[in-house]
Amino acid sequence: DTEVTQTPKHLVMGMTNKKSLKCEQHMGHRAMYWYKQKAKKPPELMFVYSYEKLSINESVPSRFSPECPNSSLLNLHLHALQPEDSALYLCASSDLAHTNEKLFFGSGTQLSVL
Amino acid sequence: ILNVEQSPQSLHVQEGDSTNFTCSFPSSNFYALHWYRWETAKSPEALFVMTLNGDEKKKGRISATLNTKEGYSYLYIKGSQPEDSATYLCASPPQAGTALIFGKGTTLSVSS
Repeated sequence: DTEVTQTPKHLVMGMTNKKSLKCEQHMGHRAMYWYKQKAKKPPELMFVYSYEKLSINESVPSRFSPECPNSSLLNLHLHALQPEDSALYLCASSDLAHTNEKLFFGSGTQLSVL
Repeated sequence: ILNVEQSPQSLHVQEGDSTNFTCSFPSSNFYALHWYRWETAKSPEALFVMTLNGDEKKKGRISATLNTKEGYSYLYIKGSQPEDSATYLCASPPQAGTALIFGKGTTLSVSS
């Protein structure tokens, strides 16, 4: 199984809502990532988890809260988002959090904040 | 901040044409260069990870070269097919042990 599964595929939420994005992989990878991608822009790194511990937080606003409950799961909790947070949120994993390791991506969650 | 630049932004070719595009990155403190293919409505898929100057990698009709001294990588597609239509992203980490910084991509469209 070389898949990274993300749910939901689409999400519409209001600015006062609380929602969560989920990501799952069963490849035994020890590193998991959240990227944000807006139209016509490259994916931007948000968070990196290595061995279930947060290792990189790219100065992301606190309205985004990542969680890694176990080595296979990665969540992104959303609260009080702004319309400018509307984007495609991509999850990825790699065997290790190392620059030579290729990333395996999910197909993303398209988020719209109204 | 690492700048990874890709050109051209988009490209349209006919089936059977060969094509290539460029990824540029700072030549100092090089660690690795990744290429990904991203088809519409699918997940980005890794094509190559390259680390050594002069590296050449090949996967079917797609190949890539790496020049770390001058800071560029070329991706070549021989005999383009409609199924090659996708956005091709390159990425490089700014420091060892950090995550990838992506370029904006080259969007390839192949007409039959």
